[in-house]
Amino acid sequence: AAGVIQSPRHLIKEKRETATLKCYPIPRHDTVYWYQQGPGQDPQFLISFYEKMQSDKGSIPDRFSAQQFSDYHSELNMSSLELGDSALYFCASTSGLAGESGTGELFFGEGSRLTVL
Amino acid sequence: KNQVEQSPQSLIILEGKNCTLQCNYTVSPFSNLRWYKQDTGRGPVSLTIMTFSENTKSNGRYTATLDADTKQSSLHITASQLSDSASYICVVSVNGGSQGNLIFGKGTKLSVKP
Repeated sequence: AAGVIQSPRHLIKEKRETATLKCYPIPRHDTVYWYQQGPGQDPQFLISFYEKMQSDKGSIPDRFSAQQFSDYHSELNMSSLELGDSALYFCASTSGLAGESGTGELFFGEGSRLTVL
Repeated sequence: KNQVEQSPQSLIILEGKNCTLQCNYTVSPFSNLRWYKQDTGRGPVSLTIMTFSENTKSNGRYTATLDADTKQSSLHITASQLSDSASYICVVSVNGGSQGNLIFGKGTKLSVKP
């Protein structure tokens, strides 16, 4: 079965550079969540999209931006990278909003590991 | 404040033994509660999803319980295997809120030793 695809899986950047992470949700999933997970930390919510519109915003820095495209894939753009941005970035997809009543399965990708030197 | 607390923080057990992980939450309005298994450096994988009306749900050797009155959940692992070594994360879904509707616990790191 198709899963959530994230690319690249690993990325090394220098400080002040930019990076773009991509997320391809499971087919027919219209909702995408982005999370940042530092070493030994729980995932921190960054931003989410539902039907190509931003549905919620968490602790996403102003240096970051994201969007969901017409084919439902999403991209997280990170500029002026800092050392503290080094983390595992997860994308998760579901159909509808995970907070709605019901048991919509939420699937996570394998993550993109960003290292800022 | 919406919070999810998990205990213990870490746990070491011998292969073949059972264990129980705890999750307490103060989330409102509650939608559902999920348990995920996360191997180091990998994406979380769903084990169970429970709504407020469900008390127990099993997935193979994993059994989750939910007490909506006391706002507690547990994940019981039976006959543990070495491959069960991972972090187990309790996630509570909330209607509305400012965290993308999902409140994550910090996880319990389980190590299964031979």
